[in-house]
Amino acid sequence: EADIYQTPRYLVIGTGKKITLECSQTMGHDKMYWYQQDPGMELHLIHYSYGVNSTEKGDLSSESTVSRIRTEHFPLTLESARPSHTSQYLCASSESPSRTETQYFGPGTRLLVL
Amino acid sequence: DAKTTQPTSMDCAEGRAANLPCNHSTISGNEYVYWYRQIHSQGPQYIIHGLKNNETNEMASLIITEDRKSSTLILPHATLRDTAVYYCIVRVALRDDKIIFGKGTRLHILP
Repeated sequence: EADIYQTPRYLVIGTGKKITLECSQTMGHDKMYWYQQDPGMELHLIHYSYGVNSTEKGDLSSESTVSRIRTEHFPLTLESARPSHTSQYLCASSESPSRTETQYFGPGTRLLVL
Repeated sequence: DAKTTQPTSMDCAEGRAANLPCNHSTISGNEYVYWYRQIHSQGPQYIIHGLKNNETNEMASLIITEDRKSSTLILPHATLRDTAVYYCIVRVALRDDKIIFGKGTRLHILP
């Protein structure tokens, strides 16, 4: 059973506010990921990390930024939220190296920017 | 990584076996076939993976053709809780790359 947590689960915020979405995992996984998904649409990778002090941009351009100061923590920040940022954000982690490279996902954060 | 092709949606009666096909005709020799599913916008859940042999676990069975160009995920006794989007992905394990989720197959289990 995977232990990966995201907070908040739901967030309604006004345009221009700075927000940070939290993601933490207790499995000691090196790899972590952020995905963005609109309702009924595909998952899009926006950020990933191979380990501490490693961050990479994903396939979908995003105005968000991430940091990886600790293995267990991979927060995502939006400096100035806009309505176009309204979406669901999913965090995941995987062990590296691993024969299965299974990704474990958190419950997600649903963000609504007014 | 190789691309996959899956039907957009499928229906299956409750209690019957659900067979979800996936084509991956350009798969390379060192690429594994993975299946994940996503239930109603929760995070995707790993189901099973395989290289060339058929695999079975407590959730499903994976049948890979001998030429590895296609595979089928089998849910032996589908329940309403199996209604989800099912993603078939091919990738090289033990490589530092990321999983690309496509559009998947939306499976509806009918009562």
